[in-house]
Amino acid sequence: QLQLQESGPGLVKPSETLSLTCTVSGGSISSSSYYWGWIRQPPGKGLEWIGSIYYSGSTYYNPSLKSRVTISVDTSKNQFSLKLSSVTAADTAVYYCARQYCSGGSCYYYYYYMDVWGKGTTVTVSS
Amino acid sequence: QSVLTQPPSASGTPGQRVTISCSGSSSNIGSNYVYWYQQLPGTAPKLLIYRNNQRPSGVPDRFSGSKSGTSASLAISGLRSEDEADYYCAAWDDSLSGLWVFGGGTKLTVL
Repeated sequence: QLQLQESGPGLVKPSETLSLTCTVSGGSISSSSYYWGWIRQPPGKGLEWIGSIYYSGSTYYNPSLKSRVTISVDTSKNQFSLKLSSVTAADTAVYYCARQYCSGGSCYYYYYYMDVWGKGTTVTVSS
Repeated sequence: QSVLTQPPSASGTPGQRVTISCSGSSSNIGSNYVYWYQQLPGTAPKLLIYRNNQRPSGVPDRFSGSKSGTSASLAISGLRSEDEADYYCAAWDDSLSGLWVFGGGTKLTVL
């Protein structure tokens, strides 16, 4: 059964870079059937998509975060990672990683929806 | 402000049918599929409906989705206490360079 597990520091100082890793188990990150994404949820608020990556390294990002976000993949470790630079208190959130799947037909990258999620990790931005 | 608009709350009694609406625009719901997620307290979102009205295996047929124009709805029939959760709609938005957008979420209370 596929599982995703987020890991990384729970506390980051303002202006520094937030770094998280998602480890995929029970399946291969190198499968051509999936994209892999990051989504966050500020305390008491809704969900915000951050960006997604294909096993080849192809990425697409939320335009509002694009200047600060880098998502990378390490197929040898079955992991993908998120880096968010110049963080502020507004970046405090639960960060989720997710598998993205296309259920058939024309599978352009925007047809890959989040179907399996990690449990999430809380990141607080504070000095 | 979320790109997709949902009512902040909904409620029903056990056995009732409840619907949750999700309103968007021509750049998201009007031209792309709608997805629904259930988030139980303190847990990660779980996929309930994909491609407007399809249920993943394991999701009870009490949950159903529909879409018309730039709006979508999630219906829950035979309401149960374990359905008490937050529900989010989502869609791809074609504006700018494109992005996934979510509704603000609807908190469903089972009275």
